[in-house]
Amino acid sequence: GNSVTQMEGPVTLSEEAFLTINCTYTATGYPSLFWYVQYPGEGLQLLLKATKADDKGSNKGFEATYRKETTSFHLEKGSVQVSDSAVYFCALSDWGGTASKLTFGTGTRLQVTL
Amino acid sequence: DVKVTQSSRYLVKRTGEKVFLECVQDMDHENMFWYRQDPGLGLRLIYFSYDVKMKEKGDIPEGYSVSREKKERFSLILESASTNQTSMYLCASSFTGGNQPQHFGDGTRLSIL
Repeated sequence: GNSVTQMEGPVTLSEEAFLTINCTYTATGYPSLFWYVQYPGEGLQLLLKATKADDKGSNKGFEATYRKETTSFHLEKGSVQVSDSAVYFCALSDWGGTASKLTFGTGTRLQVTL
Repeated sequence: DVKVTQSSRYLVKRTGEKVFLECVQDMDHENMFWYRQDPGLGLRLIYFSYDVKMKEKGDIPEGYSVSREKKERFSLILESASTNQTSMYLCASSFTGGNQPQHFGDGTRLSIL
């Protein structure tokens, strides 16, 4: 079946540091890939997505490129802020014939300090 | 903006009670989903619905049922609550299509005592 593997957290960075959160996946077919972010006490928000190989999703300074050859979708940001502290989830879509279901990674907590 | 509203942010119930969690979306989405979120396990799909009165089991349906009588509303039912159902429950909705993102509510933190 499909699966998503994320790097273990927590990740602790100083403000303005470079961020990478690794995500690799196993899937049949050609899934779409997503990054979601969950701020404390809230639900998940879509951060960015990519729907085919070599697509780059971007939003709020975050980027991720759909790499089919390495089955990866790593999240990057050039300069993190304290307000980026949250839990980040990588996910892939799976068309089940009736609806697209998402398979999530276990999440990576990011803590950014001054 | 898409709005997915869950009826309660926090809920405390007792073992053996029948518990209802309600979710409403305002974007005319065909699909609605219920997940539970537990530390170290990420999000796990309980049930989803692709149309009114239609439902399918997710990965962990045992001990749960769902109801979708209207397109905008999707209810999760714990038939006889148990302590191992203490968790964060998240509702989501989406249009049909492999590249359609899901939109989430803020979650209900349910404690079963």
